[in-house]
Amino acid sequence: RKEVEQDPGPFNVPEGATVAFNCTYSNSASQSFFWYRQDCRKEPKLLMSVYSSGNEDGRFTAQLNRASQYISLLIRDSKLSDSATYLCVVSPLNKFYFGSGTKLNVKP
Amino acid sequence: DAGVIQSPRHEVTEMGQEVTLRCKPISGHDYLFWYRQTMMRGLELLIYFNNNVPIDDSGMPEDRFSAKMPNASFSTLKIQPSEPRDSAVYFCASTDRGRGNQPQHFGDGTRLSIL
Repeated sequence: RKEVEQDPGPFNVPEGATVAFNCTYSNSASQSFFWYRQDCRKEPKLLMSVYSSGNEDGRFTAQLNRASQYISLLIRDSKLSDSATYLCVVSPLNKFYFGSGTKLNVKP
Repeated sequence: DAGVIQSPRHEVTEMGQEVTLRCKPISGHDYLFWYRQTMMRGLELLIYFNNNVPIDDSGMPEDRFSAKMPNASFSTLKIQPSEPRDSAVYFCASTDRGRGNQPQHFGDGTRLSIL
């Protein structure tokens, strides 16, 4: 079983739509959680950390559900510039496990 | 502040040649990671270091791959001899776990093509 599983998509949504991604993880001892964004032919960049109580950064909301071992990312009012691949990252101790990424295409 | 710096940005070489990729982590970071990314296999962890010491190299594909970190500000990933299947983007990342659950920061990557 993979450490982290994500739906690869693609998610094709119109501008202004709300879209949500989920990511499940297998290690219940995981301590820290992150969402990264990766544009085509670029490096992964940190989008936001995910805190136990959930957190929001502008149009982006991240949630953690430890009981069911998943994290989620909600994007409201999608912009064309949100088109990218979104990677969830789970870290037990000092290793980082990356999901395979969910591709988002925001269409005009 | 300078981010993670990798060189070269692009490398094209012939099969059988030695390839050396370089990485300078963010100053003060105590962990350094080497990843490889391909369309088929996604992002794979090759090896990581803590305070310049290799901790886990289980992701290194075979003996042709080696990595060193002679000091806190420099690491190399070497492939000798190189093969076409080594063609990928190689990323270096660093983090400061001494400050708790900190994320990784990635360099721009090295695009490696083995002909």
